[in-house]
Amino acid sequence: GENVEQHPSTLSVQEGDSAVIKCTYSDSASNYFPWYKQELGKRPQLIIDIRSNVGEKKDQRIAVTLNKTAKHFSLHITETQPEDSAVYFCAAFNRGGKLIFGQGTELSVKP
Amino acid sequence: DTGVSQDPRHKITKRGQNVTFRCDPISEHNRLYWYRQTLGQGPEFLTYFQNEAQLEKSRLLSDRFSAERPKGSFSTLEIQRTEQGDSAMYLCASSLAGDPDTQYFGPGTRLTVL
Repeated sequence: GENVEQHPSTLSVQEGDSAVIKCTYSDSASNYFPWYKQELGKRPQLIIDIRSNVGEKKDQRIAVTLNKTAKHFSLHITETQPEDSAVYFCAAFNRGGKLIFGQGTELSVKP
Repeated sequence: DTGVSQDPRHKITKRGQNVTFRCDPISEHNRLYWYRQTLGQGPEFLTYFQNEAQLEKSRLLSDRFSAERPKGSFSTLEIQRTEQGDSAMYLCASSLAGDPDTQYFGPGTRLTVL
C-alpha cells in the first residue's frame, strides 16, 4: 500500500549545526509534501510544505527539497537552536485525498 | 482561538465502555479529518468529511468506530465497546476543499482505556 518512510528516527546535533531529515514515498501521484513539528503533548504544526512542481523551497532557517524522479524529499534546518528540539513528521498527500505520514524523527539540539 | 479545537483533551475509560469525542474545525474549512496517533508513530488517517459527507474511511476504522458531521460543521467520533488497543491520541484536522492538502491540526484527545 501507500507508505512514507522517514529517516533517521532520532537525530542529535549541537546547537548551530545543521540537521537533515529524509523521506521517501511510494505513490507517484502524490503532489504535496508538508512537514510538521510536534512538541511533546502538543498538536502537529505545519512548518513548511512543497508541491510537486517545485524542487526546493526555503523559509528562513528551514528548507525542503523534492526529487520527484527518486520519490524522496528532505527537510534541512540550519543554525539549529534548542527550541528546534521536537519530533518532525513528513507526509505525502496521495491521490485518495489524505495525508500519509512518516514515522517521525526526534530531533535533539544540545546547547 | 480560531484554530481547530477538540473536546475533551483527555479521556480515561474502562474497557467495554463507549466514548465520544468532538472536533470543531476552523470556521470556513469544509474538510475535516480524523487521525489516530500512538506513541512514537506518525498520525494514521481514519476518515474524512467534505461538508457533511463522509468521503473515505480507513481499514483501521473498525465497525466499533463511527464518525459523523451532521451539519457540516463540528464532527464527533464515537468508539463503542472500547478495547485497550484503542488507547491513543485522536487528532482532528481541517482544511479548505479548494486547498485540501494544507491541513491544520487540533490539540487532540488522549484516550486511555484501562
